Amino acid sequence: DAGVIQSPRHEVTEMGQEVTLRCKPISGHDYLFWYRQTMMRGLELLIYFNNNVPIDDSGMPEDRFSAKMPNASFSTLKIQPSEPRDSAVYFCASSNWTGGFTDTQYFGPGTRLTVL
Amino acid sequence: RKEVEQDPGPFNVPEGATVAFNCTYSNSASQSFFWYRQDCRKEPKLLMSVYSSGNEDGRFTAQLNRASQYISLLIRDSKLSDSATYLCVVNLPSNSGYALNFGKGTSLLVTP
Repeated sequence: DAGVIQSPRHEVTEMGQEVTLRCKPISGHDYLFWYRQTMMRGLELLIYFNNNVPIDDSGMPEDRFSAKMPNASFSTLKIQPSEPRDSAVYFCASSNWTGGFTDTQYFGPGTRLTVL
Repeated sequence: RKEVEQDPGPFNVPEGATVAFNCTYSNSASQSFFWYRQDCRKEPKLLMSVYSSGNEDGRFTAQLNRASQYISLLIRDSKLSDSATYLCVVNLPSNSGYALNFGKGTSLLVTP
């Protein structure tokens, strides 16, 4: 089975440009998560969706960031306008919540974003 | 104070050595606990869940101490391929469902 798919894998852009990151979760998973990872702050949860509905976006750093999940197989994270401090690896993860305590999140390979 | 704290390391150990990592968490309401492994420039992957009674998976042993709010990971007979960053993860219940809180990771380098 295909895992979580993210695109692009690498993105280099100039400050002020719009950046769109894409994610396809594992089929059948009902939770989707967007994370950002930097050396300084580690892995931070930005937002997560359940059944395509945003549940908690308290981790979104500011209004320049937005995320959508128009259907069960696709999500986007958009940064507009981008700034150099947005440079990080952005991971998408999905899981299938069964109500237990051992649910695993499966991560995509990440998008390495560099804003010049 | 961060929810999950780990010693960043790096831990440099020779092949065959035993190494242990600890992790502390701040919220006593935490429900479940995990260790994830992240290789350089790769995504995190679940290594093992941590159960109250402690659990073992081959060379890896995880322990949970709820009273002291810490989690440990023991790696015996370490291999070169164990070199990676180990992330301590704590699941916190919330009104919106649940949220995994990740530590910043402990770096392990196993040398020949």
